[in-house]
Amino acid sequence: AQSVSQHNHHVILSEAASLELGCNYSYGGTVNLFWYVQYPGQHLQLLLKYFSGDPLVKGIKGFEAEFIKSKFSFNLRKPSVQWSDTAEYFCAVNAGGGSYIPTFGRGTSLIVHP
Amino acid sequence: GAGVSQSPSNKVTEKGKDVELRCDPISGHTALYWYRQSLGQGLEFLIYFQGNSAPDKSGLPSDRFSAERTGGSVSTLTIQRTQQEDSAVYLCASSLRTRAGAGYDEQFFGPGTRLTVL
Repeated sequence: AQSVSQHNHHVILSEAASLELGCNYSYGGTVNLFWYVQYPGQHLQLLLKYFSGDPLVKGIKGFEAEFIKSKFSFNLRKPSVQWSDTAEYFCAVNAGGGSYIPTFGRGTSLIVHP
Repeated sequence: GAGVSQSPSNKVTEKGKDVELRCDPISGHTALYWYRQSLGQGLEFLIYFQGNSAPDKSGLPSDRFSAERTGGSVSTLTIQRTQQEDSAVYLCASSLRTRAGAGYDEQFFGPGTRLTVL
């Protein structure tokens, strides 16, 4: 079975700092990759996704993620975080070829101090 | 437009009681998922419905858990004889299956039902 690892469970940054959240998965075939975000008191929502094409994906609010197939990674980045980025971030992987059920990582809690 | 809604938002029950959790997906979404989120854990898949196909129940943790989806829309997750370890946030998500065999469709999540078993 595929698994998803998010290495950083808790991250604390100051505003304007750069962010990189790690995500690694175990599946060796074609994958669809997602980052979801849950702001305090809100629903989980899609931040960005990759399924083919340019491995550098841009999402909402200045976030981007890079798919590196050789490293089985899909790390999330933002060059300068804001206080409003404080949230829980989840990486999810869907094995290609007709799999409809994504596997989620445990999540990373990001706190940004103003 | 209306998003995914879930009810109740909070449920406190006593050990051994049965509970029903409801999910109203986005209109027209053919796929519906139930997940469980425990403190500090990721989302644990429970069950998946797609159109009129038989549901994928591979994530249900025990036979005390069951779910149904009526008319391809509303879904109910039932937990019988609740245990304290069932305490968690239960999330429902729906998606529009844009192409058969594709797994890249975005999921839209509801606010969740926080279940506390005393």
